[in-house]
Amino acid sequence: DTAVSQTPKYLVTQMGNDKSIKCEQNLGHDTMYWYKQDSKKFLKIMFSYNNKELIINETVPNRFSPKSPDKAHLNLHINSLELGDSAVYFCASSQGLAVGGPVEQYFGPGTRLTVT
Amino acid sequence: TQLLEQSPQFLSIQEGENLTVYCNSSSVFSSLQWYRQEPGEGPVLLVTVVTGGEVKKLKRLTFQFGDARKDSSLHITAAQPGDTGLYLCAGARSNDYKLSFGAGTTVTVRA
Repeated sequence: DTAVSQTPKYLVTQMGNDKSIKCEQNLGHDTMYWYKQDSKKFLKIMFSYNNKELIINETVPNRFSPKSPDKAHLNLHINSLELGDSAVYFCASSQGLAVGGPVEQYFGPGTRLTVT
Repeated sequence: TQLLEQSPQFLSIQEGENLTVYCNSSSVFSSLQWYRQEPGEGPVLLVTVVTGGEVKKLKRLTFQFGDARKDSSLHITAAQPGDTGLYLCAGARSNDYKLSFGAGTTVTVRA
């Protein structure tokens, strides 16, 4: 059974379109994250939800909106896609928050978004 | 500005050789983790270190946390092609919810 799953795996779309990426975890974790990995492999946190509450919202354009319908799901909706949004987006989950403490984050396989 | 700087960015070695990857910062971290990411997959946790000066071994991999908790290193002995991947360090600060990642070191072990 896949612990953290994302759909779709690949997403190719044109500038200006709106798209969504879905994430589900079956680990029973209470915290979920969205990361963006750019072409240089730098992994940067975008959002984090703990028990469905938004706790991390980095400097991300308003075109990106996360939604957590329940603790097992965290979706990412992107409006008016731009070329610079092309990247690999990773969903992750953990039990608890990394407030200086060592929580293990489990990552999904990633969604490669290409905006043309 | 990245909190964690990793070096080198790329490392290509022959099977059987040793290698060391470094992760440095001017900030103090309460804990530091190392992840390995293979192509087309998400990062997978290798180890967590929490005490300054701590050394952890995982088979042929040795991880060290600096005394001041600002830096860490990953040493691989007798590298094998299966060690090929992107190695990422990630740190958590005492007053922060988030995990800050380094830019990664791409390791290639040639057979």
